[in-house]
Amino acid sequence: AQTVTQSQPEMSVQEAETVTLSCTYDTSENNYYLFWYKQPPSRQMILVIRQEAYKQQNATENRFSVNFQKAAKSFSLKISDSQLGDTAMYFCAFMFNDMRFGAGTRLTVKP
Amino acid sequence: DARVTQTPRHKVTEMGQEVTMRCQPILGHNTVFWYRQTMMQGLELLAYFRNRAPLDDSGMPKDRFSAEMPDATLATLKIQPSEPRDSAVYFCASGLVEGVALNTEAFFGQGTRLTVV
Repeated sequence: AQTVTQSQPEMSVQEAETVTLSCTYDTSENNYYLFWYKQPPSRQMILVIRQEAYKQQNATENRFSVNFQKAAKSFSLKISDSQLGDTAMYFCAFMFNDMRFGAGTRLTVKP
Repeated sequence: DARVTQTPRHKVTEMGQEVTMRCQPILGHNTVFWYRQTMMQGLELLAYFRNRAPLDDSGMPKDRFSAEMPDATLATLKIQPSEPRDSAVYFCASGLVEGVALNTEAFFGQGTRLTVV
């Protein structure tokens, strides 16, 4: 089974600054999908961004962008101009048939 | 507004009792996932279904957990007998899979918080 590793259990950033969350995965597959989900205290899982492995261009969604390095099996999330509302758990996920998540990174945005 | 509906939202039960959690996936989605979230283990995949057929339930303790999808509008996760270590938040998610991956994203329900005392 594929594995997903998030090596940063907790991170913090000042409001308006930029922060990068790391994610690596292990797979022998070539075509797959990667996701970042956000879980605020309400515990609702919210999709932040997704990346198709066959696309070389990195996905972006407003202040959120990814750095997808297929050969290195790395999929980091960059949050620009951090806002207080970005405080949440962030989960990286890998999809090929099933969908598996990393352990999460707890991000705190400080005023 | 399409959404995944999970019931109950909260459940407190005594050890040894049967617990059934229900999930109504979004209409038209062909894949349903069940996850368990704990502080220590993050989001664990327990089982998933495609077109109502169970594809993988290797993440579930077989002796006490069972997952079924009696029809396209209902997925169930049952624990019998329940134990204190089963206390967690259980999430259901649904999506439309074409080939090997989701067409868009996995939509999550709000979860069932289970406490076994």
